[in-house]
Amino acid sequence: KQEVTQIPAALSVPEGENLVLNCSFTDSAIYNLQWFRQDPGKGLTSLLLIQSSQREQTSGRLNASLDKSSGRSTLYIAASQPGDSATYLCAVQGGNTPLVFGKGTRLSVIA
Amino acid sequence: EAGVTQFPSHSVIEKGQTVTLRCDPISGHDNLYWYRRVMGKEIKFLLHFVKESKQDESGMPNNRFLAERTGGTYSTLKVQPAELEDSGVYFCASSQVGGAQETQYFGPGTRLLVL
Repeated sequence: KQEVTQIPAALSVPEGENLVLNCSFTDSAIYNLQWFRQDPGKGLTSLLLIQSSQREQTSGRLNASLDKSSGRSTLYIAASQPGDSATYLCAVQGGNTPLVFGKGTRLSVIA
Repeated sequence: EAGVTQFPSHSVIEKGQTVTLRCDPISGHDNLYWYRRVMGKEIKFLLHFVKESKQDESGMPNNRFLAERTGGTYSTLKVQPAELEDSGVYFCASSQVGGAQETQYFGPGTRLLVL
């Protein structure tokens, strides 16, 4: 049974700092790994999707890496801004299996 | 293009009552998913429709939950009778293409509180 763990559960950083969020999963047989962002009272917004054959994806200040063999992914946020404050969720999808989510990392960027 | 919409945004009901949640996916999306987040826990999959057919309902907690997607457009999730442990946020998501490249688009969720 796939399990996804995200560390840390919460993180507070000053504006401008670079930061890394971690995600680990127990079953390396995945189709893809996705990072989502959730703002309070809102739905989830997909940030990056990494297919199992890929090692990383980049979008603006965000870079996500995937090491399937070790069951790990990181989300790197460069030059953090207060607008980056949100909960970041990692989810993995296997073949013909649904998305399995971690509990998320709650990020606060202090101006 | 309109995103995934859910109704109601909040619902407060008493134990034993019935509640029906609605999800309107993005137009043209054949895949529709329901998820639930119970307080303090991770978001968990409930079920997956492809058009009007249930592709996977392995996450449905018990037979008090009934999901439908008549005509392959919007979907409803009925809880009858509701129990205290059903409280949580119910998310709906839709996607156009399944498989390894699938990006699911999520609605804002319905916050259900059972008293």
